[in-house]
Amino acid sequence: AQKITQTQPGMFVQEKEAVTLDCTYDTSDQSYGLFWYKQPSSGEMIFLIYQGSYDEQNATEGRYSLNFQKARKSANLVISASQLGDSAMYFCAMREALVFSGGYNKLIFGAGTRLAVHP
Amino acid sequence: GAVVSQHPSWVICKSGTSVKIECRSLDFQATTMFWYRQFPKQSLMLMATSNEGSKATYEQGVEKDKFLINHASLTLSTLTVTSAHPEDSSFYICSAESGREGEKLFFGSGTQLSVL
Repeated sequence: AQKITQTQPGMFVQEKEAVTLDCTYDTSDQSYGLFWYKQPSSGEMIFLIYQGSYDEQNATEGRYSLNFQKARKSANLVISASQLGDSAMYFCAMREALVFSGGYNKLIFGAGTRLAVHP
Repeated sequence: GAVVSQHPSWVICKSGTSVKIECRSLDFQATTMFWYRQFPKQSLMLMATSNEGSKATYEQGVEKDKFLINHASLTLSTLTVTSAHPEDSSFYICSAESGREGEKLFFGSGTQLSVL
């Protein structure tokens, strides 16, 4: 079953505007973590932002914020004031907690959204 | 964030040869590392979980004899693609869990493998 769903294969945004990249997830666990990574054309995976399932406030990291709607199981990434350098693939991912060992399970990725920022 | 170094960045090899890819955690100890494979314009697919001092755990459908993983120390995991074939051509990327940042995973820069 699909655990992470990113329904937008591609998105366009004007420079300096805000953009929201959608992500929904599926889990029956109570403890999990949600991540967003950026992958530019060079291939590296750049960690952007993390949200824990028990975090009451939405995570923010500079121009990135995560709109966490736990009941709807959504974790949308909001990029404010888009820059040309934001053009890249963006992946939403999830790790479920391992109850007995205290660690975390593998990181599962969505299909990704390609963001293009236009001047 | 923590730094993960992956080497080489790209490699071209002849069919039938073996290729070794290294993944190092530079400023932290990583008891667990993960190896992913990515085809063009697709998402990352987990191949295996590498635990220091023990055998790797492979995902369903991944040939353990084809993709040998060794995690000999707390800072180094290697992936060896044995008897490479053109269909093994892909982007391989490793990640490591930084204990001080808990659940977060940090990624290497990836290796583009082309098998001729």
